[in-house]
Amino acid sequence: SQQGEEDPQALSIQEGENATMNCSYKTSINNLQWYRQNSGRGLVHLILIRSNEREKHSGRLRVTLDTSKKSSSLLITASRAADTASYFCATDENSGYALNFGKGTSLLVTP
Amino acid sequence: DTGVSQDPRHKITKRGQNVTFRCDPISEHNRLYWYRQTLGQGPEFLTYFQNEAQLEKSRLLSDRFSAERPKGSFSTLEIQRTEQGDSAMYLCASSRAQGFSYEQYFGPGTRLTVT
Repeated sequence: SQQGEEDPQALSIQEGENATMNCSYKTSINNLQWYRQNSGRGLVHLILIRSNEREKHSGRLRVTLDTSKKSSSLLITASRAADTASYFCATDENSGYALNFGKGTSLLVTP
Repeated sequence: DTGVSQDPRHKITKRGQNVTFRCDPISEHNRLYWYRQTLGQGPEFLTYFQNEAQLEKSRLLSDRFSAERPKGSFSTLEIQRTEQGDSAMYLCASSRAQGFSYEQYFGPGTRLTVT
């Protein structure tokens, strides 16, 4: 079953703008990960945040995690057309092995 | 590039036929995973190997599905008596064994179409 739920389902912005997408999950986790998927490169890992971390940065990406609210957000700053893709959050529940993905947010960045 | 590779990339088969997919993980990764993804959905976990041992199977993995990783390197996923509902993208991923904090590296997937 899919645990993570991303919001919004679809997002359309212009180049240079920031994109924020949110993820909610249901059970305790060890870590939460964000992945990007587009037709050209498949599913690519973006960033991992552990349950004892609250914020993490990687280049133009900023991820926050609020375990009390069981939610996470992914911020992409200064978006580019190449950021057009589907973004998924994935949690590990308690097993640490299987990843549970949400349905994803479809991001469209127009020039 | 020594990423995860999958073969074939596309497979069209008739209902009732058996199909087999292969996954070659990143060489130093001892964990290997299979997922299935349908249109508009995120990947769904099917099964997981650590070395050659299959340690976890999803309820999604019916009796018609079998996966192996005989020498702890490549893995195969076989679907017997395929049904139209089996049409999906089958994704393989691998990772290192580093406790509970790890990232999974995904292959390009095998797209199965059952007619």
